Amino acid sequence: DAEITQSPRHKITETGRQVTLACHQTWNHNNMFWYRQDLGHGLRLIHYSYGVQDTNKGEVSDGYSVSRSNTEDLPLTLESAASSQTSVYFCASSEGGLAGITSYNEQFFGPGTRLTVL
Amino acid sequence: KNEVEQSPQNLTAQEGEFITINCSYSVGISALHWLQQHPGGGIVSLFMLSSGKKKHGRLIATINIQEKHSSLHITASHPRDSAVYICAAATDSWGKLQFGAGTQVVVTP
Repeated sequence: DAEITQSPRHKITETGRQVTLACHQTWNHNNMFWYRQDLGHGLRLIHYSYGVQDTNKGEVSDGYSVSRSNTEDLPLTLESAASSQTSVYFCASSEGGLAGITSYNEQFFGPGTRLTVL
Repeated sequence: KNEVEQSPQNLTAQEGEFITINCSYSVGISALHWLQQHPGGGIVSLFMLSSGKKKHGRLIATINIQEKHSSLHITASHPRDSAVYICAAATDSWGKLQFGAGTQVVVTP
């Protein structure tokens, strides 16, 4: 069955370290998204991609980067982890491909990664 | 100020009761999504609608584009409906989402 996976599921790291969270989907979806979820803030968009080699900043992109070298993967990198980046991170994907065709935009979420920065 | 507002923040209901969650948005949208987050943390898409009403089992979602308002109704609520319900506005043609803060629903037996 097609799916979207995230790894690791839990990660503890130290301030200043570089951390990469993996997101892999097997639906061949064009669109992929990274969100963080914090108490009091809900879900917020970090970065997103509408296809290979396309990446865009979301509302909370500072300190994060992504790259899209193939359809299946959108890794999220924290360049120098900070305690403020302690959060639960969700990756999502949608079929996309045709602007304005909303039926292609249902998002499927990964199980999440809980990241703690000490 | 968040451009997607949900109410109430928390809701407790007795099993069998009718539940309504409201969502108002101030941005232009291509669609409005309703999501469910289970107590274990997983997020699933319930509805995506750009007009009218959709129904799936005991769940009904409606949207009024002119009033920029959507509602999620749960009929004959059950303890297994206990979850966080999140509305999200798709703000571009490819479905980029802006989220409400979520509504924590607890249904007691």
